[in-house]
Amino acid sequence: SYQLTQPPSVSVSPGQTARITCSGDALSKTYAYWYQQKSGQAPVLVIYEDSKRPSGIPERFSGSSSGTMATFTISGARVEDEADYYCYSTDSSGNHWVFGGGTKLTVL
Amino acid sequence: EVQLVESGGGLVQPGGSLKLSCEASGFSFSSYAMSWVRQAPGKGPEWVSTITGSGGSTYYADSVEGRFTISRDNSNNTLYLQMNSLRADDTAVYYCARSVKTTGSGNYYYFAYWGQGTLVTVSS
Repeated sequence: SYQLTQPPSVSVSPGQTARITCSGDALSKTYAYWYQQKSGQAPVLVIYEDSKRPSGIPERFSGSSSGTMATFTISGARVEDEADYYCYSTDSSGNHWVFGGGTKLTVL
Repeated sequence: EVQLVESGGGLVQPGGSLKLSCEASGFSFSSYAMSWVRQAPGKGPEWVSTITGSGGSTYYADSVEGRFTISRDNSNNTLYLQMNSLRADDTAVYYCARSVKTTGSGNYYYFAYWGQGTLVTVSS
């Protein structure tokens, strides 16, 4: 089955840049989406179609994609950005819609 | 404001059935595809099923195909998930989500707004 691979954890100090990667064979042809999930809450869409930000999402959140890897970046991370982050996309057939395993971001 | 409120979760024995509901408000319900996404304890989200705005097309993950049925009542702004032949690995929080079809390649949807979820526990 298709898999999207993320690092289990990323840790940065406040004000630093946090980068979370997502690799998948089909990402060169399909869009990546990114979700933030804080403890005990539902996921929130923070990036769609590789690099677009939904209304209300801070400008310090950005996304990019190159080849088979998508990257989610927080420029100037804040303590309030601590959360689990998940990428989402599909395989080349478009039949298997999957989330990555998630990355726990620590800001301290 | 988009609001999605799930209900119907609870404890059910293996092999049993359960029907989840999701009441939507704050948007034109029939104009949007809707999905169910679940999250097992301590795990990441897993897409379960999607239905188009008209209800004319449905999509299922392999793990629930043939056991779960998604449906909607556009006159009452409500989404449903009928779950049969439940197994222990179906235990999860089930979220409903307003969905958008990707503009890129691949016929798939992403989840723009999520409800707060309802917990389904399958155990004897």
